[in-house]
Amino acid sequence: GAVVSQHPSRVICKSGTSVKIECRSLDFQATTMFWYRQFPKQSLMLMATSNEGSKATYEQGVEKDKFLINHASLTLSTLTVTSAHPEDSSFYICSAPDSKETQYFGPGTRLLVL
Amino acid sequence: DAKTTQPPSMDCAEGRAANLPCNHSTISGNEYVYWYRQIHSQGPQYIIHGLKNNETNEMASLIITEDRKSSTLILPHATLRDTAVYYCIVRVGGGNQGGKLIFGQGTELSVKP
Repeated sequence: GAVVSQHPSRVICKSGTSVKIECRSLDFQATTMFWYRQFPKQSLMLMATSNEGSKATYEQGVEKDKFLINHASLTLSTLTVTSAHPEDSSFYICSAPDSKETQYFGPGTRLLVL
Repeated sequence: DAKTTQPPSMDCAEGRAANLPCNHSTISGNEYVYWYRQIHSQGPQYIIHGLKNNETNEMASLIITEDRKSSTLILPHATLRDTAVYYCIVRVGGGNQGGKLIFGQGTELSVKP
């Protein structure tokens, strides 16, 4: 299947700082990518849809000013957690659909905010 | 997208077939059934999907009932590495904008020696 990568795989940051997470589709192009968040022992929660060349679409209850999404090219979407706080500590996962609309997921980024 | 119902957990003996059920009684005619699994601390892995016909690939088989209100994922010879949370998701096909996946709680499958 198609390959999606994420960088970094894990990051520790101080409260109040911003953290950028990259999501790349390695062997296909994606005009749309999706960002999820997962807390321990819980399922994945969709945060937003990243659209290449236009604004992201956020799910209800997700603060767009806190979770900045940029989809600058057909293979790269970034999620920036601004002014991170300990409650933002979570597992962030992206996905991208291939040409047959099957979504493939990245390996995830574990964020710990101290 | 239609909601799915899965048992929270299941056990399976190593080497035996694992049959994971999923109910999606409100599924619409243009909605596909997708199965993913998530091994601890990893991103979900695509397994298989189907619309109304049964499907088989190198990982699993998907059996969809004739009325499409339920389906079963079959892992023919479960191994310890198949221990994971399995998610059954119903999703509208056609265009990336409609392609978002909404995850339920899934079934935690434990394969035991």
